[in-house]
Amino acid sequence: EIVMTQSPATLSVSPGERATLSCRASQSVRSNLAWYQQKPGQPPRLLIYGASARATGIPGRFSGSGSGTEFTLTISSLQSEDFAVYHCQQYENWWTFGQGTTVEIK
Amino acid sequence: EVQLVESGGGLVKPGGSLRLSCAASGFTFSNAWMTWVRQAPGKGLECVGRIKSRTDGETTDYAAPVRGRFTVSRDDSKNILFLQMNSLKVEDTAVYYCTTLSTIVPWGQGTLVTVSS
Repeated sequence: EIVMTQSPATLSVSPGERATLSCRASQSVRSNLAWYQQKPGQPPRLLIYGASARATGIPGRFSGSGSGTEFTLTISSLQSEDFAVYHCQQYENWWTFGQGTTVEIK
Repeated sequence: EVQLVESGGGLVKPGGSLRLSCAASGFTFSNAWMTWVRQAPGKGLECVGRIKSRTDGETTDYAAPVRGRFTVSRDDSKNILFLQMNSLKVEDTAVYYCTTLSTIVPWGQGTLVTVSS
């Protein structure tokens, strides 16, 4: 099973600042990597697929990069609605998710 | 409207069974590989079972913790996905979501399964 590891577990950021989240795969997943946002009591919402393609309706301040085993989600200027948990997911082989990164208000 | 709506969750005793359903609408369900993902309270996401489309053989795959106990099936004539859960354990307690890897199909709200005596 491909293990996905996210860092940091919690990221404290002020509104308007940049947030950088990392995700590492235990083996290459090529570009078969997605990022989701999840708010309390809600299902995950797809942000990024194919490591760098924004899903429909996702604002341009969200961007993804990386391939192989190292991936990054960047939120260029945090808005109040962006404080949430972010999950990475590989779909190269089965589906496995990282443990999540909580982006909280500093 | 493109949506997935899960139902069938509830409280069940350890060793019991439950059948979850997921009604799909607004997209070509028969072409989609469908997956059940669960999230235990306060925990991360775990894929538990998947079924391919009929054209891809309608084969199923399961996560190790549920293999032999859970069965995924589909009824393409009614656009419904199922998850039959047998021999339930306390650790199966979670919100269960049906989903597909798609940029146009949002995740459903999920259905809560609580396994407790």
